[in-house]
Formats: sequence, structure tokens, C-alpha cells
Amino acid sequence: SQQGEEDPQALSIQEGENATMNCSYKTSINNLQWYRQNSGRGLVHLILIRSNEREKHSGRLRVTLDTSKKSSSLLITASRAADTASYFCATEPGGFKTIFGAGTRLFVKA
Amino acid sequence: EAGVAQSPRYKIIEKRQSVAFWCNPISGHATLYWYQQILGQGPKLLIQFQNNGVVDDSQLPKDRFSAERLKGVDSTLKIQPAKLEDSAVYLCASRPGTGGDTEAFFGQGTRLTVV
Repeated sequence: SQQGEEDPQALSIQEGENATMNCSYKTSINNLQWYRQNSGRGLVHLILIRSNEREKHSGRLRVTLDTSKKSSSLLITASRAADTASYFCATEPGGFKTIFGAGTRLFVKA
Repeated sequence: EAGVAQSPRYKIIEKRQSVAFWCNPISGHATLYWYQQILGQGPKLLIQFQNNGVVDDSQLPKDRFSAERLKGVDSTLKIQPAKLEDSAVYLCASRPGTGGDTEAFFGQGTRLTVV
């Protein structure tokens, strides 16, 4: 079963705009991670946020985590055409498992 | 550092045939996962190994799927017999250790088409 659900399912923006993706999950977690997947390729880890953290930054990425609402958001600032990909949140509910959501498909128009 | 290696990259088989996928994780990574990703969906965890022991195989269709991890290193995933709905990308991933806040490293996957 899938733990997380991303919203929106698909997002189309212009280059230079910001992209925001949201993730909701069902059970308590140790951490939450975001991954990117380019078409036909494997998943690449972007950022990990621990359950006791509220916000984390990495380059143009900003992740927030609200454990009371069981939700997270990924913000990509100043998007580029190369950011076109599918983005997945993944939670670790325990047992060292990594459970993925259904993903948000981001399309950045040049 | 070499990444997670998977083979083959692509496989086309007829239904009811058998198929096997191979994964070589990053050296020293104790935890290995197999995921099934159907087109347009997120990866679904099939089985999780820690060293050469199975930690979780609750989502593995055991009537047709089997997996092993010999000597706690390489792993194989087998499907016998295959069904049309098994068409998907099969992803292998590994993580260092057996606990803690670490990322998973993924291979490029094997794209299986069952006709």
C-alpha cells in the first residue's frame, strides 16, 4: 500500500516560476524524503527532513514538514526546463522501509 | 563510488513465461529493496532485505514472485509465471546500515513488458 499522496497530480508552469508540491501521509514517520525521477530513469534523492524538523533548504529546494497535519511541501524556486520530472515523497514509517506516494508530474515550459 | 547496478535494462516476454532480474547494490549497503513501478504510479515496495534476511515481503505476490539475496550482496527477483499485469519497471535500491536517517540509492531499473 502507498503511504503518501501528492497533490497536484500534474503541474505545468513557465520557466522562472516557482513550483509547489504537497504530500500527505497516514501514519507517524521517522523522516520524509523527496525524490525526482526523469522519464525512463531511476529515482534521485533530493532532500530528507527528520520528524523533529520543520523546514529544510537545499539550493533551490525548500521542504516543510507539519507532523500534526501529516503533510509536507516541496517548493522549487526559479524553475528551469531541466526540472521537468516526476517528484515523489517517500516516508519512513518505521522498520527502515521507504514508502512512496503516487507522485507529481512537473512540466516546466521554456 | 559505483551506483546500484541492474540488469537487464529491458525485457519482453510472453505471458506464462518466467523472467529474472539481477541487482548489485552499492558496496557495503546492508539494506536492499525491490520496487515495482507501474506506468504513471509511484514505486510499490515488493520486498526488503537486511543483509541476507527478509525484513518485509508483505506486498510480494508469493504465488509467482520470489527473491533472494545471497551472501547479503547481490539479489535476484524472479517472476514465474508472468501475467500481463506484471508489465512495469522493477527498481532495486540500497541503503547503508539498517537504521537511521539515510537516503536510498536507486538503480536505473528493468522495464518488463509482458505480451
